[in-house]
Amino acid sequence: EPEVTQTPSHQVTQMGQEVILRCVPISNHLYFYWYRQILGQKVEFLVSFYNNEISEKSEIFDDQFSVERPDGSNFTLKIRSTKLEDSAMYFCASSWLAAGELFFGEGSRLTVL
Amino acid sequence: GIQVEQSPPDLILQEGANSTLRCNFSDSVNNLQWFHQNPWGQLINLFYIPSGTKQNGRLSATTVATERYSLLYISSSQTTDSGVYFCAVETGNQFYFGTGTSLTVIP
Repeated sequence: EPEVTQTPSHQVTQMGQEVILRCVPISNHLYFYWYRQILGQKVEFLVSFYNNEISEKSEIFDDQFSVERPDGSNFTLKIRSTKLEDSAMYFCASSWLAAGELFFGEGSRLTVL
Repeated sequence: GIQVEQSPPDLILQEGANSTLRCNFSDSVNNLQWFHQNPWGQLINLFYIPSGTKQNGRLSATTVATERYSLLYISSSQTTDSGVYFCAVETGNQFYFGTGTSLTVIP
């Protein structure tokens, strides 16, 4: 069964460092998303991406964050200068249709020290 | 933004018991999904159910979109059902997650 894959599964970084989280969405999906979940809290929307551009973003997705689809298969989330409060599980998701059924990857746990 | 509330927040069941989890949402939505977050943090799709009723084994779900709620039924619960159950509703090309129901099934 097709699945969304994410790397790394866990990353530890120092405050102020840049982090790139990678995702390979399901191959025929057209819509891509990043969500995050701070430990013990609910899952929060960060950004949606379609046709090589951002279609929606939340208040969380400020100038420190950026997304890219560099090569037609990968979908990346970059955090330019990490803060302690960026520590969270980051989930990538994809769907075939706009607001269609979401399929999530296993998540990348980011720990900022 | 849309509010998504789930109840109960916590639930402890004896193995074999049945339960009903509820998801209320504050505005019209286009779609709704139920997820199970297992103890390893993975989000597992349970149902994509904008309306109507679906069943998958011991689990079933019903969404009444006009009344802005959805129910997830778990029958004959097993210890592997433990985890957090989230509903997520879609509006404006974003899914909004509820606060979750944390389920513990004890043997």
